[in-house]
Amino acid sequence: GAVVSQHPSWVICKSGTSVKIECRSLDFQATTMFWYRQFPKQSLMLMATSNEGSKATYEQGVEKDKFLINHASLTLSTLTVTSAHPEDSSFYICSASPDRASDTQYFGPGTRLTVL
Amino acid sequence: GDSVTQMEGPVTLSEEAFLTINCTYTATGYPSLFWYVQYPGEGLQLLLKATKADDKGSNKGFEATYRKETTSFHLEKGSVQVSDSAVYFCALSDSGAGSYQLTFGKGTKLSVIP
Repeated sequence: GAVVSQHPSWVICKSGTSVKIECRSLDFQATTMFWYRQFPKQSLMLMATSNEGSKATYEQGVEKDKFLINHASLTLSTLTVTSAHPEDSSFYICSASPDRASDTQYFGPGTRLTVL
Repeated sequence: GDSVTQMEGPVTLSEEAFLTINCTYTATGYPSLFWYVQYPGEGLQLLLKATKADDKGSNKGFEATYRKETTSFHLEKGSVQVSDSAVYFCALSDSGAGSYQLTFGKGTKLSVIP
């Protein structure tokens, strides 16, 4: 089956620093990648949708200057949390779709970010 | 906007018990409906899906029927196993809204005890 990896699986950083999370599709080309945020006992909240080679589309309320998304290739998307603060602590999940016209998404295992 | 409501957990069942996890939705268009499962330490995996009214999705003994009249997509399994312990998410994708983004419910944690 299609596999999506995320790195790192967990990260602890100091307030004010930036953190980069990678999302890779290992055995398929991902035309579209999605980034979600999950709070404890809450649903996955879509943060942004990125299509390879174009700018990400952010959901309402998500700061594009704080959560930088790059989808430079068909197998890699990155999420950079800039100037992280404790309220950014969360579980970040990416998913990838091989086709823009498909509702199929393959999910990564998630990255736990803790900002001290 | 689109939304998904699923029963609150956690749910604890004995092995071989019958499982039902309720899910209802609201959508502006004609959504596809999904159940995803998240095993401990792993990413979400598609469990089953249905794309139109009265369709039944099934996989690994789990079933769910797309009921347009009640806007529901309840997940059922006749006899659960310890290995079914996981978090289950109901979701929809509303292509009528112009995209294939998924809207998720809050998830229901299932624990099956021997």
